[in-house]
Amino acid sequence: GESVGLHLPTLSVQEGDNSIINCAYSNSASDYFIWYKQESGKGPQFIIDIRSNMDKRQGQRVTVLLNKTVKHLSLQIAATQPGDSAVYFCAETLRDSWGKLQFGAGTQVVVTP
Amino acid sequence: DGGITQSPKYLFRKEGQNVTLSCEQNLNHDAMYWYRQDPGQGLRLIYYSQIVNDFQKGDIAEGYSVSREKKESFPLTVTSAQKNPTAFYLCASSMGPETEAFFGQGTRLTVV
Repeated sequence: GESVGLHLPTLSVQEGDNSIINCAYSNSASDYFIWYKQESGKGPQFIIDIRSNMDKRQGQRVTVLLNKTVKHLSLQIAATQPGDSAVYFCAETLRDSWGKLQFGAGTQVVVTP
Repeated sequence: DGGITQSPKYLFRKEGQNVTLSCEQNLNHDAMYWYRQDPGQGLRLIYYSQIVNDFQKGDIAEGYSVSREKKESFPLTVTSAQKNPTAFYLCASSMGPETEAFFGQGTRLTVV
């Protein structure tokens, strides 16, 4: 029969506030990490990446933080907008693995007016 | 425009039939991938290919087959051996190690 969909963790954010999305990754040997945004019915879109020799990287309105000690990744979105409503996935990959990404389960971000 | 094109967007399959999902890229990427996504879940790797005429099984390859005869194309066949094929299928490509993967817009397959 059909599988029952799991309920994603949901982050509800007021428009204009900052969002912080957290991700625990699984493999201490992973050395490249990516955040993707996925809107309903569409493919994931690249947001930002970070390599294991860094602990912080900034893009436009987004910042990724990497804590290798506790295997934790976070995505901060400044001044959250309605268009930021989506599911956000972190993904990890190993050196020389040719982009074979291991995805987390995702976090649903809902921006409220 | 450069990118990855998946077709069709929606596909219906009768039980016992094989179906083939198309994926074409014009990004000149060496590596291509197929992922499966179930409702409310992350993506799981089905197959990947690093170069033409070579491909490797991912985490959930059973019931699927692929070919990589051209750099631009990486079709996925969902065979009748796949017991629960209803899902959202995503194709991606990348330049190589430690580079971002670019995704297509997906094919939603439903068994009727």
